[in-house]
This record gives sequence, structure tokens and C-alpha cells, in this order.
Amino acid sequence: QSALTQPPSVSGSPGQSVTISCTATASDVGSYNPVSWYQQPPGTAPKLIIYEVSIRPSGVPDRFSGSESGNTASLTISGLQAEDEAHYYCSSYRSSSTSYVFGTGTKVTVL
Amino acid sequence: QVHLQESGPGLVKPSETLSLTCTVSGDSVSSGGRYWTWIRQPPGKGLEWVGYISYSGSTSHNPSLKSRVTMSLHTSKNQFSLKLSSVTAADTAVYYCARVAIAARAFNIWGQGTMVTVS
Repeated sequence: QSALTQPPSVSGSPGQSVTISCTATASDVGSYNPVSWYQQPPGTAPKLIIYEVSIRPSGVPDRFSGSESGNTASLTISGLQAEDEAHYYCSSYRSSSTSYVFGTGTKVTVL
Repeated sequence: QVHLQESGPGLVKPSETLSLTCTVSGDSVSSGGRYWTWIRQPPGKGLEWVGYISYSGSTSHNPSLKSRVTMSLHTSKNQFSLKLSSVTAADTAVYYCARVAIAARAFNIWGQGTMVTVS
């Protein structure tokens, strides 16, 4: 069972903003275990869209943003577009066990 | 441009060993600052981290897989591999290889994935 919990689904109309939460025990989310986020459109491999909580790799639109507060990391998609419809996963590195864990995943639907 | 490509049998019998190889181009498996990882996704389900092998050959794997996982580097071919023993139907999944940039601790390059069915 994953140690990172995400809502199963979120939805929004084009142009709106949606936020996906990623909640963990204190050992998984914190200063020394930065959260990353991945986008997985249907039938494709996941793609990194946020790392170290809030940094976007080159080429990722700035409508994707990340933040963290306490034991919860969040991904916000501003100005939702049809192409943003996908599954989104958070991930964290557990330094205590040198292992990685993924969140349960969230399906984003553009209405 | 870094590219990862998985290869291996698409069908494995129960109790046998699943073997997959990831061929890397545009980077070296011996380069410092990298973890070479395996991630899987059962049909219709979420992502599960399987394990990684570092550029120096040290490994770490998902505790839920117990001691069934073996990972290796093949530097002369610029490849790394996964062996998963004693497979069951629960190991049926799309298997992805991916590169971790250790400094960012994120999976920044992914292969396209390969489906493995245990039956």
C-alpha cells in the first residue's frame, strides 16, 4: 500500500484551475525528500513535470506549478486545457530506506 | 538526447524468471549521479517502483518484492537489466526503465514501456 495518498479524480472546465494533493507520513514528505510529479496521458509512458517540489523541467508549460505545506505536496494546473487530461502521480524518495514510492494517482478530467 | 528502450519476452510462465533489458543511448550507465531504475504498472493500476542500480553498481529494491529482484549493469553494451524470479500473475504489468538524476531525485527520462504477461 502506497504511503502517498492522492484523490482518485479531479475535474474542471477549460480555463479553470485544479489542484491535486499528495499526502504522506512525515517520513516521506519534507525537506530531505522532495516530491516530484508525473503526467501520464492514456497509453503513454509517464513524463516528469515537476521535481524538487516546484521546479519545472525545460519544456513544461508554466501553468503547471508545485508547492508543499507540512506533510502535503500539491500540483496545480492553471488554465486547464484539453491536453491536460491524464493521470498524475506524485513520488518521493525515502532517504531512510534509499527507496522510492509513488502516490496512488489522480485522474484529471477536462469537462 | 537521452533515450531508453526496454526489451524482453512478453510472456513468462508462472514460477519462472522474468528478464528485461534496458538499452541506453545518449548517456552512459557508468556516468556518475545516476540511478537506473525499473518501475511497473499493472493493467489499469498505478505506478510501482521496482528498484534501481546506481552507476557504481549498488542496488535498492522495493521491500514488497522481497529477494526476488536482481539488477545488473552491462557497461560494455550500455545496458542495465532486471530479473524477477518466481513470478505470478500479480507480476503482470507494463515495465518501464527510467533514469534518475540523483541531484533532483526524480525520474527524468523514461522508456516507452514493455508489457509482460505471466501466464
